[in-house]
Amino acid sequence: EPEVTQTPSHQVTQMGQEVILRCVPISNHLYFYWYRQILGQKVEFLVSFYNNEISEKSEIFDDQFSVERPDGSNFTLKIRSTKLEDSAMYFCATNPVGTDTQYFGPGTRLTVL
Amino acid sequence: AQSVTQLDSHVSVSEGTPVLLRCNYSSSYSPSLFWYVQHPNKGLQLLLKYTSAATLVKGINGFEAEFKKSETSFHLTKPSAHMSDAAEYFCVVSSGTYKYIFGTGTRLKVLA
Repeated sequence: EPEVTQTPSHQVTQMGQEVILRCVPISNHLYFYWYRQILGQKVEFLVSFYNNEISEKSEIFDDQFSVERPDGSNFTLKIRSTKLEDSAMYFCATNPVGTDTQYFGPGTRLTVL
Repeated sequence: AQSVTQLDSHVSVSEGTPVLLRCNYSSSYSPSLFWYVQHPNKGLQLLLKYTSAATLVKGINGFEAEFKKSETSFHLTKPSAHMSDAAEYFCVVSSGTYKYIFGTGTRLKVLA
């Protein structure tokens, strides 16, 4: 069964550094999302992406964040200058046209020191 | 605006006894509702989904949920808990723009 994959599984970085989190969506899915889960808290929506542009973003998704689909397969989340409070589990999710059921990747745990 | 409230942050049951995880929702239209499970250090797995076809929804691993519009509830149940059910469970509502809105989660503990 096709799965959403994410790399790396765990990323440790220094405050102020740039990080790129990668997701490979299921091949026929056209809607992409990023969510984050700070330890002990609920999962929060960051951004949705369709047809090579952002469909919707939350207030969390400020100018430090960006998303792109650089090569037609990967879907990336970039944080330009990480802060301590960016430490969280980041989940990628995708769904095909015609359904709102999202399929989640295993997540990337980002630790900012 | 859509929202979900999970009424219990922690639930403990004995193995073999029924499980009830409670969720109330708020939506200005007929919502899509989901239950996802997250095992320790794992991603989110879809348990079941309600989309108005039937009010009683059966999911994987023996779980089911009943949509009650009059009570704005979508509680998750299982007749007999198993040790492997110990996990965090999230009730989710899909907004009209497809983004998910998560509840705060219920951590299920299963006692031997």
